[in-house]
Amino acid sequence: AQSVTQLDSQVPVFEEAPVELRCNYSSSVSVYLFWYVQYPNQGLQLLLKYLSGSTLVKGINGFEAEFNKSQTSFHLRKPSVHISDTAEYFCAVSDSAEYGNKLVFGAGTILRVKS
Amino acid sequence: EAGVTQSPTHLIKTRGQQATLRCSPISGHTSVYWYQQALGLGLQFLLWYDEGEERNRGNFPPRFSGRQFPNYSSELNVNALELEDSALYLCARLDRGTQFFGPGTRLTVL
Repeated sequence: AQSVTQLDSQVPVFEEAPVELRCNYSSSVSVYLFWYVQYPNQGLQLLLKYLSGSTLVKGINGFEAEFNKSQTSFHLRKPSVHISDTAEYFCAVSDSAEYGNKLVFGAGTILRVKS
Repeated sequence: EAGVTQSPTHLIKTRGQQATLRCSPISGHTSVYWYQQALGLGLQFLLWYDEGEERNRGNFPPRFSGRQFPNYSSELNVNALELEDSALYLCARLDRGTQFFGPGTRLTVL
């Protein structure tokens, strides 16, 4: 079964600094990878996704992620964060060979942007 | 926009009662997924409905059930509520391999 590890439960960072949120998944033949963001008391919003093609994926709000198959990683990056980026970020994977595209989520990383 | 509506926003029940949560994807989307986000347990897959049938379920007891209607909206029913059922319940629609989530229903069991 698929599993996802988000290596940091919390990441504090100053405004305008770069940030990287780490995500590793268990190996599979082929996977779809996602990052979602959750603001307090809200649902999940899709930031970006990797289904196929270019391993560097750009998403909303200036975020990007790189799919690294050899390291089974899908780290999320932003070159300069804003206060408004404070939220919880979830990495998720689905096995494209498995019927139904069920998502398996990591435990989440809370990004705290400080002024 | 996520294209998924959920109701109610909040639901308060007592132990032993039943809860019914609703989800409506935008027109034309036949797959609906349910997830539970409980404190300390993270986001867990509950159920998947497609074309009116239950296609897959996660590791949850049978008192978690649901159905999908002809218009592809869905209901999640939780019977014999327990305190640990308190959670945010999220519904998602599927669009070309990607799930888009609704705002969730916060269920509190007292």
